[in-house]
Amino acid sequence: DTGVSQNPRHKITKRGQNVTFRCDPISEHNRLYWYRQTLGQGPEFLTYFQNEAQLEKSRLLSDRFSAERPKGSFSTLEIQRTEQGDSAMYLCASSLTRNTEAFFGQGTRLTVV
Amino acid sequence: QQQVKQSPQSLIVQKGGISIINCAYENTAFDYFPWYQQFPGKGPALLIAIRPDVSEKKEGRFTISFNKSAKQFSLHIMDSQPGDSATYFCAAETSGSRLTFGEGTQLTVNP
Repeated sequence: DTGVSQNPRHKITKRGQNVTFRCDPISEHNRLYWYRQTLGQGPEFLTYFQNEAQLEKSRLLSDRFSAERPKGSFSTLEIQRTEQGDSAMYLCASSLTRNTEAFFGQGTRLTVV
Repeated sequence: QQQVKQSPQSLIVQKGGISIINCAYENTAFDYFPWYQQFPGKGPALLIAIRPDVSEKKEGRFTISFNKSAKQFSLHIMDSQPGDSATYFCAAETSGSRLTFGEGTQLTVNP
């Protein structure tokens, strides 16, 4: 499968715990994006990378959130001290370069209890 | 303004009918306008996209109409089928940046 891969698909965690999600983009795609989607809403931008450089972070991304893309390949999104309001679907997307099609993964559904 | 406003929120169409979803934007720097289709529990999938140098793009049963002066664009689904039942999102992007999505339209096509 050459699509965008996200792991895990589902994560249930207790409030206050840290969680980490992984995204493997389509091979050779330079851009990688993270979005968050709550029920009944469109995806909201969180951050994106051009290769290993993090180029933009949304104001939605509090200091409890951190993302990395070492060596410009896969990416991780970590949420520290999770809160119930963090419960959402976290989507990763990749594109070959700017202004080209973005392909989304299946997402990681996070539930904070 | 980075917002993209989408309507209607939900739409019910009979099989064989035409589904029409509309979007409006404010930021004139947007230069790429895709439509995504999303099924429950899945990530959004690109359906069709348009750039502002054309007023219409058609792919199969799906057509985007784009009105640059009005800052509006719409998705038309011809001969709608029950398998088209999904949530549809319009989006917009500025060159070198990232997508801003509309609120979504839940389409139901009755058999």
